[in-house]
Amino acid sequence: KQEVTQIPAALSVPEGENLVLNCSFTDSAIYNLQWFRQDPGKGLTSLLLIQSSQREQTSGRLNASLDKSSGRSTLYIAASQPGDSATYLCAVRSGGSNYKLTFGKGTLLTVNP
Amino acid sequence: DGGITQSPKYLFRKEGQNVTLSCEQNLNHDAMYWYRQDPGQGLRLIYYSQIVNDFQKGDIAEGYSVSREKKESFPLTVTSAQKNPTAFYLCASSIKGGLYNEQFFGPGTRLTVL
Repeated sequence: KQEVTQIPAALSVPEGENLVLNCSFTDSAIYNLQWFRQDPGKGLTSLLLIQSSQREQTSGRLNASLDKSSGRSTLYIAASQPGDSATYLCAVRSGGSNYKLTFGKGTLLTVNP
Repeated sequence: DGGITQSPKYLFRKEGQNVTLSCEQNLNHDAMYWYRQDPGQGLRLIYYSQIVNDFQKGDIAEGYSVSREKKESFPLTVTSAQKNPTAFYLCASSIKGGLYNEQFFGPGTRLTVL
């Protein structure tokens, strides 16, 4: 059974700092990994999708990497801003998953002005 | 604007009542999904549908029902058989139900049992 873990559960940083969020998964036989952002009481916004054949994806100040063999992904946020404050969720789609995504519990990020 | 809409934003249910949550998308996506989110837990899949008139149970389907009569609509009914329905419900869609496609989410409905 696939399990996804995100560390840390919460992170507080000053504005302008570069930071890394971590995601690990137990079954390396994945099809893809998706990073989401969730603001309080809101739905999920898709940030980046990495296919299993890819090593990384970039969008603006965000860079996500994938090391399938070790079961890890990182989300790097450059020059953090207060508007980046949100919960970041990692989800994987793995073999035999019947199309579902398996989610981690998220990292709550607070960027202080 | 293309996107996924969910209504209502907030819903209150009395014990023994069935309630229906609406999900509509104008993205021309074939596949649609319902997830449940509880505090401190990851999202869990309730039902999914890859094409019209077809749907499959997810991990926590008991006490829920769905229909998929139109491509753009995938309503979720929370029945009285669901013993702990208070949660945040999220609808999602993807171009197709394949394993490589990105899922997009709606704004959610918060259901509270009175």
